Amino acid sequence: GAVVSQHPSWVICKSGTSVKIECRSLDFQATTMFWYRQFPKQSLMLMATSNEGSKATYEQGVEKDKFLINHASLTLSTLTVTSAHPEDSSFYICSAREGSGVYEQYFGPGTRLTVT
Amino acid sequence: GQSLEQPSEVTAVEGAIVQINCTYQTSGFYGLSWYQQHDGGAPTFLSYNGLDGLEETGRFSSFLSRSDSYGYLLLQELQMKDSASYFCAAEDTGFQKLVFGTGTRLLVSP
Repeated sequence: GAVVSQHPSWVICKSGTSVKIECRSLDFQATTMFWYRQFPKQSLMLMATSNEGSKATYEQGVEKDKFLINHASLTLSTLTVTSAHPEDSSFYICSAREGSGVYEQYFGPGTRLTVT
Repeated sequence: GQSLEQPSEVTAVEGAIVQINCTYQTSGFYGLSWYQQHDGGAPTFLSYNGLDGLEETGRFSSFLSRSDSYGYLLLQELQMKDSASYFCAAEDTGFQKLVFGTGTRLLVSP
């Protein structure tokens, strides 16, 4: 079935540095990918929607310059957390859809980011 | 805005039946999905309701009433492995994005 991978699975970085998280659809082409953020024992908060070859659409309150999203191909989207701060520490999850009009999203295993 | 409310926690015993409710207020609505997430893991798709009524998938069933802005997930023959968080998610018309509910933590005891 449809598999989505994320790399890295966990990362620790120092405050002020940038971190890139990759999201790949392994056995299908993802026309749309989504990035979520999840704090412990809380729900998933959609950060942005990215379509291959176009700019990402960010949700209200999400800083575009801080969370850079690139969807360079139909199988790869990246999220770069720039100038990370401790409050950016969270679980970041990506998901992908195989095409338009498809309701099911396939989720990656998530990346746990800790900023010290 | 959009909001989906769920009970924060539900407890049940093995073999029992449990219902997890979801009430929603969304500016645009296309359908309601349900996802399961174990601690530290990825959400996995369980069920989808695009139309009113009941959808059955094995031990899991999901129901939707658009007129009541309400849905539920029914889990039968509960097993210990069903202990997880369950999220309803509304599909936003036109944008095809999901807005997740507050989540329900299900604890299944022996």
